[in-house]
Amino acid sequence: EAGVAQSPRYKIIEKRQSVAFWCNPISGHATLYWYQQILGQGPKLLIQFQNNGVVDDSQLPKDRFSAERLKGVDSTLKIQPAKLEDSAVYLCASSPGQTARQYFGPGTRLTVT
Amino acid sequence: GESVGLHLPTLSVQEGDNSIINCAYSNSASDYFIWYKQESGKGPQFIIDIRSNMDKRQGQRVTVLLNKTVKHLSLQIAATQPGDSAVYFCADDSGGSNYKLTFGKGTLLTVNP
Repeated sequence: EAGVAQSPRYKIIEKRQSVAFWCNPISGHATLYWYQQILGQGPKLLIQFQNNGVVDDSQLPKDRFSAERLKGVDSTLKIQPAKLEDSAVYLCASSPGQTARQYFGPGTRLTVT
Repeated sequence: GESVGLHLPTLSVQEGDNSIINCAYSNSASDYFIWYKQESGKGPQFIIDIRSNMDKRQGQRVTVLLNKTVKHLSLQIAATQPGDSAVYFCADDSGGSNYKLTFGKGTLLTVNP
């Protein structure tokens, strides 16, 4: 089966600019997660969707970050405006539900200058 | 803070040796644990998982041991190969219905030929 797809793989922007990341989960997976992984650290959950509803967004900086999963399949994560400290790898993961085992995409490496 | 942490940030072994990567967790309610391998530039890849009603689980060349008394988890890799070089993360699901993982910082395993 095809894995989790993410694009773009790399993005360089200047601070105060906007950026969007896209994720296509494994077909049939109801749960979708976005993580932020800062260099040298483990992934940190930003937001979790169950179908097209938000389950947990407690660690999402809502003043600048937003995410949506309109049709319960693909998802986009947006940062507006970006700050230097947003430089990180943004990982998308999906799960079929009823399990914590998650399948990760390759990530998008964001550099904010 | 994080409920999962690692004892050693780096581990260097010789090819063919066995590797042991350790992890401590603090949440006694955690009922599911998982190990991921992350190679440079890639997303985390599932290695093995274990539920809290077990104390040992084996896969191909890997074994996970769970000691609930001292809240300790370990990953053993037999006959370590250069392809095993990566960062290894443990993560736990603290229970509940959200199936949310909390990751530790990771251990960098380097296999010397």
